[in-house]
Amino acid sequence: SQQGEEDPQALSIQEGENATMNCSYKTSINNLQWYRQNSGRGLVHLILIRSNEREKHSGRLRVTLDTSKKSSSLLITASRAADTASYFCATANSGGYQKVTFGIGTKLQVIP
Amino acid sequence: DAGVIQSPRHEVTEMGQEVTLRCKPISGHNSLFWYRQTMMRGLELLIYFNNNVPIDDSGMPEDRFSAKMPNASFSTLKIQPSEPRDSAVYFCASLSRVYWAEAFFGQGTRLTVV
Repeated sequence: SQQGEEDPQALSIQEGENATMNCSYKTSINNLQWYRQNSGRGLVHLILIRSNEREKHSGRLRVTLDTSKKSSSLLITASRAADTASYFCATANSGGYQKVTFGIGTKLQVIP
Repeated sequence: DAGVIQSPRHEVTEMGQEVTLRCKPISGHNSLFWYRQTMMRGLELLIYFNNNVPIDDSGMPEDRFSAKMPNASFSTLKIQPSEPRDSAVYFCASLSRVYWAEAFFGQGTRLTVV
């Protein structure tokens, strides 16, 4: 079963604009991760935020986490055509074993 | 490390045939996941192992699907008999024993059942 749900499912922006994607989840988590998938390729890890963190930055990426609302957002600033990809949030459950489950993803298109 | 290695990259088979997908996780990682990705259902977790032991196989769609991890460096996902609706990309991912760990994915196996 899917844990995270991304919103929107598709997003089209102009190069240079910021892109914001949201993720909601249902159960308690250990951490939340964002991944990127280029067409026909495997998933690449972007950033991990722990359940006790509220915000994290990595280059042009900013991730927020609100555990009270069970939601997270991924902001990509100053987008580039190369950012065109699908973006997934994944949650690792709290408790003994880290079960990593994914949402359905947001397909981002950055128009040059 | 070469990362998570999956084989084959592409598989085309006829309905009713047995299909075996293979995965070599990153050395030292103690958790391994099998996912299936389709346009309709997204990325579904099929089964995951911890220290070679299956922990949760609730995502395995039917008895036609089985997975094994005989040792820390190898896992298989078998479909017998295969059906056209099994056509999808199957990913394997591994996770280290570090508490706040990211999952590393293989390049996937694109399975087509005709």
